[in-house]
Amino acid sequence: NAGVTQTPKFQVLKTGQSMTLQCAQDMNHNSMYWYRQDPGMGLRLIYYSASEGTTDKGEVPNGYNVSRLNKREFSLRLESAAPSQTSVYFCASHRGIYEPLHFGNGTRLTVT
Amino acid sequence: GENVEQHPSTLSVQEGDSAVIKCTYSDSASNYFPWYKQELGKRPQLIIDIRSNVGEKKDQRIAVTLNKTAKHFSLHITETQPEDSAVYFCAASSPKDYKLSFGAGTTVTVRA
Repeated sequence: NAGVTQTPKFQVLKTGQSMTLQCAQDMNHNSMYWYRQDPGMGLRLIYYSASEGTTDKGEVPNGYNVSRLNKREFSLRLESAAPSQTSVYFCASHRGIYEPLHFGNGTRLTVT
Repeated sequence: GENVEQHPSTLSVQEGDSAVIKCTYSDSASNYFPWYKQELGKRPQLIIDIRSNVGEKKDQRIAVTLNKTAKHFSLHITETQPEDSAVYFCAASSPKDYKLSFGAGTTVTVRA
């Protein structure tokens, strides 16, 4: 039982490059989330998927797109990376709104 | 959307003393309030949570209190130990959507 698995762990991009962050969970959770963590700003929600087949914007969606590929997988895409997107990205999932969020180990992204 | 404010941003306590972290929320419909602990370089993990139909919850040295009228909730850690040193995040969510909004975090340092 791996929990929430994120890849890659580290990534360096040049401004304008694109990439996709992968996330998969093996806990049969309905809801999945993408957060970014920046110093002094806590965890800010980028996008979420309340259930398979649905996605919604969080508080900081600009510059990102997501795909809920199936119940297990939820990917985050940066189409044209900018230095402001340098951050640590966490994927998370849970069974329902009153259940604990399970986080992945994070992806440290640097955009130069 | 929900706005969660957290204070203080840093907290230094002597080992054995108590630590208190306070959060306020803006959406009166919010009814679930979890607390997460993030050790350096690790993922956030749930340590305790409370629903709006309960005023207080305790788990060993950790307790959370909720004042729905004032829209604030607090985390209390008693008899602090070095392993309590970490960043603590409060969060709030509403049944209107599946979004969990986090505070900016409190860095707690326990001095030996």
